[in-house]
Amino acid sequence: ETTLTQSPAFLSVTPGDNVDISCKASHDIDNDLNWYQQKPGEAALFIIEEGSTLVPGIPPRFSGSGYGTDFTLTIKNIQSEDAAYYFCLQHDTPPYTFGQGTKLEIK
Amino acid sequence: QVHLQESGPGLVKPSETLSLTCTVSGGSMSDYFWSWIRQPPGKGLEWIGYIHNSGTTGTTKYNPSLESRVAMSMDTSKNQFSLKLYSMTAADTAMYYCARGGKSSSWSANFDAWGQGTLVTVSS
Repeated sequence: ETTLTQSPAFLSVTPGDNVDISCKASHDIDNDLNWYQQKPGEAALFIIEEGSTLVPGIPPRFSGSGYGTDFTLTIKNIQSEDAAYYFCLQHDTPPYTFGQGTKLEIK
Repeated sequence: QVHLQESGPGLVKPSETLSLTCTVSGGSMSDYFWSWIRQPPGKGLEWIGYIHNSGTTGTTKYNPSLESRVAMSMDTSKNQFSLKLYSMTAADTAMYYCARGGKSSSWSANFDAWGQGTLVTVSS
């Protein structure tokens, strides 16, 4: 089973800041890693696929990078509406696994 | 745009069976992989398994951690798929989500649509 170690668990930032969220896989998963955003009471939103491809309709301030074992979600010029829970998912090999998530708070 | 909605009991007694249904609207169920995922309070997400409408009863794959207690089924005529989790314990208390994956096994967990989730509590 592939373990995803996501960090940090919590971020508190100011509008306009840039943030990086890390997701490290316990072994090589090529680029089979997605990023999602979830707000309370809402369905999770697909934001980055295959490590770095922005899902259509997602603002370009979101970006993803990485391959193999190390991946990063970057959010630039953070807006108040970006306050949410973010998590990564590996779909390389079942059982598919998730990072522990990052709660992003906007001050 | 496809929409997924989970439904089922919010409270289950220990040792009983959980039955949840996911209703899909705004799109066809054909050819896609459909998954159940859960998140216990304060913990991370856990993939439970998927079902795909191949063959007469559908192809399933389950997380080994739950495989002995899980069964999934689908009814494409109703645009629904279902989860049964047997012998429930307090450790199964969680938010349960359904999600749509891709159309091939390589993309089975490329979840592009999720339900909002339903909270299931196991308690007597």
